[in-house]
Amino acid sequence: QLQLQESGPGLVKPSETLSLTCTVSGGSISSSSYYWGWIRQPPGKGLEWIGSIYYSGSTYYNPSLKSRVTISVDTSKNQFSLKLSSVTAADTAVYYCARHAQPSRDFDYWGQGTLVTVSS
Amino acid sequence: QSALTQPASVSGSPGQSITISCTGTSSDVGGYNYVSWYQQHPGKAPKLMIYEVSNRPSGVPDRFSGSKSGNTASLTISGLQAEDEADYYCSSYTSSSTLYVVFGGGTKLTVL
Repeated sequence: QLQLQESGPGLVKPSETLSLTCTVSGGSISSSSYYWGWIRQPPGKGLEWIGSIYYSGSTYYNPSLKSRVTISVDTSKNQFSLKLSSVTAADTAVYYCARHAQPSRDFDYWGQGTLVTVSS
Repeated sequence: QSALTQPASVSGSPGQSITISCTGTSSDVGGYNYVSWYQQHPGKAPKLMIYEVSNRPSGVPDRFSGSKSGNTASLTISGLQAEDEADYYCSSYTSSSTLYVVFGGGTKLTVL
C-alpha cells in the first residue's frame, strides 16, 4: 500500500523559507504513470494546488505562487520536497503531499498533512 | 475566489439523496472528462471518491456517483448515512496555460 508522509518544521518565521519533504513508501516515485504534488489548506478554508513534479524533474506551479515556490525530487531517497520563500501569515496552512495520475490529475494517495504556522 | 463554483452547504436526512454541483468553464469541467471529487472529514486528509467524472476507486461505496452536463459536474450521494457528513471538493483538469488543476471551494454536507 502506497504511503506518503510529510515532514518539516511546524513553525516558520515571516520572510523566511518554508521547507517540507514528502517521503513515499510502498511504491516508487519513479513510476512513469504518476506525478507528485503539493496542496495546501489554510485553516477553515478550501484546497489550493501549489505545484506538481514528475520523477524526471519536470515541474508545474500555481501561477499565484510560482515566484516563491520550488519543488524538487530525489529519486534515490524516494522523496520530493517543497520550498516556499518569503512566507507571510497568509501561508499558514496544512500542507499535503499527494500523488496524481496524468493527464487526469486526480489525487489518489495523500499524506496525512502537516500544519505549518508562520509567526514570529 | 475558487476557479470552480460549489454551493457552500447542502443537507439531507439519512436515507435520502443529495447532489452537489461543481460549475466551471469549457476550459476545465466542460472541456474534459477529468473531474474528481474528494471527501474530507475534519482533521483528515481528503479522500478521492470519484475520478474521471464518474469512476469510483476501489472501496468507495456505490452510493456515490458522479456525472457531468456541459460545464457543470455533479456528485450524488444516495442512501445518505451519518458518516457521509463531511466537506466535499471537486477538481478538474484545466487547459489554462497558467493553471494545471483547479479545485472548487468546497461544500459542507450536513446529515440531519
